[in-house]
This record gives sequence, C-alpha cells and structure tokens, in this order.
Amino acid sequence: SAVISQKPSRDICQRGTSLTIQCQVDSQVTMMFWYRQQPGQSLTLIATANQGSEATYESGFVIDKFPISRPNLTFSTLTVSNMSPEDSSIYLCSVWGSGETQYFGPGTRLLVL
Amino acid sequence: RKEVEQDPGPFNVPEGATVAFNCTYSNSASQSFFWYRQDCRKEPKLLMSVYSSGNEDGRFTAQLNRASQYISLLIRDSKLSDSATYLCVVNADNAGNMLTFGGGTRLMVKP
Repeated sequence: SAVISQKPSRDICQRGTSLTIQCQVDSQVTMMFWYRQQPGQSLTLIATANQGSEATYESGFVIDKFPISRPNLTFSTLTVSNMSPEDSSIYLCSVWGSGETQYFGPGTRLLVL
Repeated sequence: RKEVEQDPGPFNVPEGATVAFNCTYSNSASQSFFWYRQDCRKEPKLLMSVYSSGNEDGRFTAQLNRASQYISLLIRDSKLSDSATYLCVVNADNAGNMLTFGGGTRLMVKP
C-alpha cells in the first residue's frame, strides 16, 4: 500500500481563519480523496482531487469553503476556509490501493475555537 | 435510511470471547465490501476484504450475504488489542470513488 503523510498532524485555530492541509503520497496516483470525520462520527467524503482538473465535490461541500489543489500526481492540499467551531474535525486524505479499496493518511486534527 | 448501517455498540466483552458484528447496506448494486479498523485517534486501516464465499484471516472471519445485503465480522478469542472501532465499508462502483462508510461498531475487550 502507498505511504501517505499529512501536515499538520493537528492544529488549533481561531474562527474566521483558514488552514491548509497537505497530503503527500510516496507514489503517483490518479485520484486523491479528502474526507472529514467529525467527533464520534464515521467518514464523510468531501471531494475527489484529480491532477489537472477541478476537484469534484460531494453534496454539502463547496469549493469556496474547501478549496483543493492537486498540482501533481503525488500531492494535494485541502484548505478549510473561514473556519467556525463546526469545522472541528479530523481531515483525512486517501488514495486507491490494491484490492479496490482505499488507504488513508494519518489525518489532521483540527480544533476551531 | 443510512446506506450502510451498523450497531454502534459499544460491545464490551472479556478476553477470549467470540464477538460478531453485523452490517447492512442499502445499495444492491454494491460490488466490494470491506472491514476497516480504526483505533482511537488514528486513521482507519483495512482489516480485510469480504468475499462472497466468505474469508478467514486468523481469528477474523468475514461473510457476505448478497441476497440479504448483509455483511458480518466474527472475531474469535478476543484480545485486549482488538479494542477499536470496526467500520463496515461498501464500494458501489469499482471504477470510481463510491466508498461508503458505516458509522462503526466500537469494541472494548476487557481483562
């Protein structure tokens, strides 16, 4: 499976500010995914990031709030914009692996005050 | 109705016990099925895939019933280290990005 790293691993932010989360993969992948896991909840897909095209957002998520970059086949960023306490969550990136399923990065724990 | 439903638990069991988790899914077109394990403050990690014929990996057995749209995970001889949340995951589209996660079942194995 791919080795995935995320930065930062955690952060505490003030409301109204923005945070950019980085995801780095040790191999080239076509698709990268960003998920959110709110406290006590399961994972919800935010968007799919393809290199060379705009990200595809799931229902309830918009580009203005969660802009995504995908400059190359090993890297992506997710920005959480104009944060509010409701954005406090774990944000995870993932990639497809063998066996038709996904492998996850270690996650970024975000607390918005 | 949720697309993938699990009993959230927690299941509190003693060491050595056998415990079973169930999961139901609503999309009959679902193609692939998985169990993930998520430890506290960690990312989900693939535990095992679930095949139509059923599959076993050591103390873990997964089964799929397509007719009933039902998946199960059986853990035998529970260890303290099995304490975690177990996520049922369904892929409705092998070619795309259609993983759907259940809410997870929390297991606590006690001495």
